[in-house]
Amino acid sequence: DQQVKQNSPSLSVQEGRISILNCDYTNSMFDYFLWYKKYPAEGPTFLISISSIKDKNEDGRFTVFLNKSAKHLSLHIVPSQPGDSAVYFCAATEDDKIIFGKGTRLHILP
Amino acid sequence: DAGVTQSPTHLIKTRGQQVTLRCSPKSGHDTVSWYQQALGQGPQFIFQYYEEEERQRGNFPDRFSGHQFPNYSSELNVNALLLGDSALYLCASSLVEGEQFFGPGTRLTVL
Repeated sequence: DQQVKQNSPSLSVQEGRISILNCDYTNSMFDYFLWYKKYPAEGPTFLISISSIKDKNEDGRFTVFLNKSAKHLSLHIVPSQPGDSAVYFCAATEDDKIIFGKGTRLHILP
Repeated sequence: DAGVTQSPTHLIKTRGQQVTLRCSPKSGHDTVSWYQQALGQGPQFIFQYYEEEERQRGNFPDRFSGHQFPNYSSELNVNALLLGDSALYLCASSLVEGEQFFGPGTRLTVL
């Protein structure tokens, strides 16, 4: 049973526009949510996180929004750049374990 | 700083064989976690080692076992390999309950 769900396997966005990646979760006990980025032949790299007590966290071009009542979070990337093309994993922490979604492949179009 | 390193990069085994994968953590880290990423899936937590003991375990059978050495490096062993064990195996290192840094993974193919 998937506790972290990313329902869009892929997303294509024009360079310079906003990319919005969505994620839903089922476990209300999660205390931290994270986004990881993964290039081929590399391990996932940490991008940005948000505590369950906050509703927004921003780091440069990346902003994560958390809606606890809807059990939904989203990652906004603006403006999107070619180097942003990668697989993005939404994840949550539970007792120091990371629980990942299946990932969304983001294609940035020229 | 070399970051997290894993060996080998790729491995091909046949059903029923045993395999050992290796991980060297990032300098200064004392905790190693292992994840399995099957094709089209996100990484799934296998187990975590701290102070040479298994600290937590995910929903994986006993065929999956591990070890942590005094220098904090770690091994993942899988016995009686099944076709379904074909996956990318990721190692992550951290300080306990700290941010986890991932290695590039070992691609295991079971024929």
